[in-house]
Amino acid sequence: RKEVEQDPGPFNVPEGATVAFNCTYSNSASQSFFWYRQDCRKEPKLLMSVYSSGNEDGRFTAQLNRASQYISLLIRDSKLSDSATYLCVLSMDTGRRALTFGSGTRLQVQP
Amino acid sequence: DTGVSQDPRHKITKRGQNVTFRCDPISEHNRLYWYRQTLGQGPEFLTYFQNEAQLEKSRLLSDRFSAERPKGSFSTLEIQRTEQGDSAMYLCASSPKTETYEQYFGPGTRLTVT
Repeated sequence: RKEVEQDPGPFNVPEGATVAFNCTYSNSASQSFFWYRQDCRKEPKLLMSVYSSGNEDGRFTAQLNRASQYISLLIRDSKLSDSATYLCVLSMDTGRRALTFGSGTRLQVQP
Repeated sequence: DTGVSQDPRHKITKRGQNVTFRCDPISEHNRLYWYRQTLGQGPEFLTYFQNEAQLEKSRLLSDRFSAERPKGSFSTLEIQRTEQGDSAMYLCASSPKTETYEQYFGPGTRLTVT
């Protein structure tokens, strides 16, 4: 079983739509959670951290459910520029803090 | 540009050849990571340096792979006797010595082994 599971998509949505991505993780010892965004043939970039209380950054809302080992990302009012692959990422609370990535969910926002 | 830089950006090599990649992290970032990413997958952790010390290596890092960070600044990743399965994007990331888990990624080196 993969440590981080994501639906690969693609999710094809019209501009202005609301879209939600989910992610599950297998290691209950995971401590920190993130969503990264990766454009085609580019490096991953941090979109936002994910907290148990839920957090929002503009049109983006992230949620963590530790009991169900489940993370979500909601994008409201989708823009063409949101088209990318969204990577669910976690880290153990160990010294190295290496990141464990899911395979990503591809989003295509259409005009 | 004060971000993470990697060189070369692309490398095509024949099977059996050795290749070396370089990563220059953000200045004063003491943590440096190497990841490998293949098509359709997320990046996978390879190895981690804190300053010049290589503190962890993934099981993905076979004996043909070696990484160094001699002065705690730039790092090199060498692959000896390349195989077609080594074809991937090799990403370097750095992180400051703070409580943050945020890692800043370089643009990657895309390796193609023919």
